[in-house]
Amino acid sequence: KAGVTQTPRYLIKTRGQQVTLSCSPISGHRSVSWYQQTPGQGLQFLFEYFSETQRNKGNFPGRFSGRQFSNSRSEMNVSTLELGDSALYLCASSRSQTDYGYTFGSGTRLTVV
Amino acid sequence: AQSVSQHNHHVILSEAASLELGCNYSYGGTVNLFWYVQYPGQHLQLLLKYFSGDPLVKGTKGFEAEFIKSKFSFNLRKPSVQWSDTAEYFCAVMGGGSYIPTFGRGTSLIVHP
Repeated sequence: KAGVTQTPRYLIKTRGQQVTLSCSPISGHRSVSWYQQTPGQGLQFLFEYFSETQRNKGNFPGRFSGRQFSNSRSEMNVSTLELGDSALYLCASSRSQTDYGYTFGSGTRLTVV
Repeated sequence: AQSVSQHNHHVILSEAASLELGCNYSYGGTVNLFWYVQYPGQHLQLLLKYFSGDPLVKGTKGFEAEFIKSKFSFNLRKPSVQWSDTAEYFCAVMGGGSYIPTFGRGTSLIVHP
């Protein structure tokens, strides 16, 4: 079966711009979570969506937002980009909140210059 | 908030050496524990998980992990590593009523042939 698909794979943006990243979960998976991965901080939780509702949110500023569509696909948006937003953004899906064990996508590498 | 510590940031071994990667967490209640692996150029993959029952969990490729509740630990072990085990390993903990796993910062393992 197809895995978790994230697009685009790579992105270069300038400070102040905004960016939208996309994640298509495994078919049948309704929970989608987003993480930011950096060498210094490791994996930091951004937010989790289930059935189009944000269920959990991490400690990130309001510039980071997301949404989930009825087909479980999810997008995250970062506005007013800062240099420190450069990271690998990972999406992970699972069947439900209680189906422990994520399936991760390959990530979107965002570079802010 | 719970935290996860992986004390070994970088580990270098020769093939056939034994491996033990440490993972300690701060939460004292019921926990679910995971080890994920990220091979070079690939996405994060679930290696093994503990929910309940036998504290010795066996995963793929000869890996195992032991949950020691009194030590708040979930160390990953392999008796004889191979060059193909070169990867980054992440420990994750879910507990306290939260369905969101907290990840450690990862351990980079390099195995020399």
